[in-house]
Amino acid sequence: DAKTTQPNSMESNEEEPVHLPCNHSTISGTDYIHWYRQLPSQGPEYVIHGLTSNVNNRMASLAIAEDRKSSTLILHRATLRDAAVYYCILLYSGGGADGLTFGKGTHLIIQP
Amino acid sequence: ETGVTQSPTHLIKTRGQQVTLRCSSQSGHNTVSWYQQALGQGPQFIFQYYREEENGRGNFPPRFSGLQFPNYSSELNVNALELDDSALYLCASSLGLREYYEQYFGPGTRLTVT
Repeated sequence: DAKTTQPNSMESNEEEPVHLPCNHSTISGTDYIHWYRQLPSQGPEYVIHGLTSNVNNRMASLAIAEDRKSSTLILHRATLRDAAVYYCILLYSGGGADGLTFGKGTHLIIQP
Repeated sequence: ETGVTQSPTHLIKTRGQQVTLRCSSQSGHNTVSWYQQALGQGPQFIFQYYREEENGRGNFPPRFSGLQFPNYSSELNVNALELDDSALYLCASSLGLREYYEQYFGPGTRLTVT
């Protein structure tokens, strides 16, 4: 499976934008890029996913590099509720998708 | 729309015993995946069920087994419990097997093995 690399932790201030990077240099042309987050004492929560084009939803934006070797999750205006561990995950699109492979993720700290 | 639910919330078992954990998938979802999350680690994939058949399995021994019922709810069974099985067990449901379907997670069952 293609692997992802994320910083162990990042810190940001409330109401400011946050850019969470993810490197996936061995990504194949058919891998989807998914982001999940896990708030303290909760199960993981889906955030966003994409294949080649940038994506937006009500929670966040996903910016994918042209060569697809990296991506950035953008939280446009962080709140204290966004403090969580964020996981960048690749899913093979060959059909019959398997489970998610979680790495260590990025622990996002939001300062009031 | 009811989300993914799991029972029980917490459980304490003794080494060598057997345990059954339960998961009700979100309405309309036919795929359930189970994960084990040790303290301070990311979730690890155990196995996945699609329409009552096991579709894929992670690196877990055969004493971890599962079942999916016609209503797509699921069970995780662990035999011969070991101390290292102490963890948060998460289930997640999705609309199907395609890689662009998001998985919806339950709150988990905290298992402690003494």
